[in-house]
Amino acid sequence: GNSVTQMEGPVTLSEEAFLTINCTYTATGYPSLFWYVQYPGEGLQLLLKATKADDKGSNKGFEATYRKETTSFHLEKGSVQVSDSAVYFCALERRDTGRRALTFGSGTRLQVQP
Amino acid sequence: GAGVSQSPSNKVTEKGKDVELRCDPISGHTALYWYRQSLGQGLEFLIYFQGNSAPDKSGLPSDRFSAERTGGSVSTLTIQRTQQEDSAVYLCASSQRLTDYEQYFGPGTRLTVT
Repeated sequence: GNSVTQMEGPVTLSEEAFLTINCTYTATGYPSLFWYVQYPGEGLQLLLKATKADDKGSNKGFEATYRKETTSFHLEKGSVQVSDSAVYFCALERRDTGRRALTFGSGTRLQVQP
Repeated sequence: GAGVSQSPSNKVTEKGKDVELRCDPISGHTALYWYRQSLGQGLEFLIYFQGNSAPDKSGLPSDRFSAERTGGSVSTLTIQRTQQEDSAVYLCASSQRLTDYEQYFGPGTRLTVT
């Protein structure tokens, strides 16, 4: 079946540090890959996506590249801010099967200290 | 515009009772999804609806769970004879079309079964 594995948190960084949150997936076929973010007290929201191999998704300074050879979709940001403190979820969707259901990783909590 | 809304925001119920959780999707969104977020299982897909098509119920964990969507808009998730393991945050999401990648999530209903 499909699965997503993320690094365990919490990840604690100082402001302006470089961020990497690892995400690997297991899926047959051609999944689309996503990063969703959940800020404190708010609902999940899409951060970025990539729909085919070698695509790079980017938003708000965050980037992730769809690497089919390593089945990875690591999230990176060059300089984090306190406002980036949130829980980040990696997810995949098997569009090619016709199903519209996201499979999520367990989430990684990021804490950015001033 | 208004986002996805869910009610109630919190629900405490006794084991064995039935509960109904409500979701109001974004106006005009034809696809609606239910997920649940629990400590033990993370974020799991439950069911989705697309227009007048038969729903995909493949994620429902048991026959105690059911959902309906009336008039292509509001959806109700019903859990019969609740068990303690049903305690979780139940999330609803919608998207404009099933072909859209982004799902817009509501704030969730926190269900506690005592």
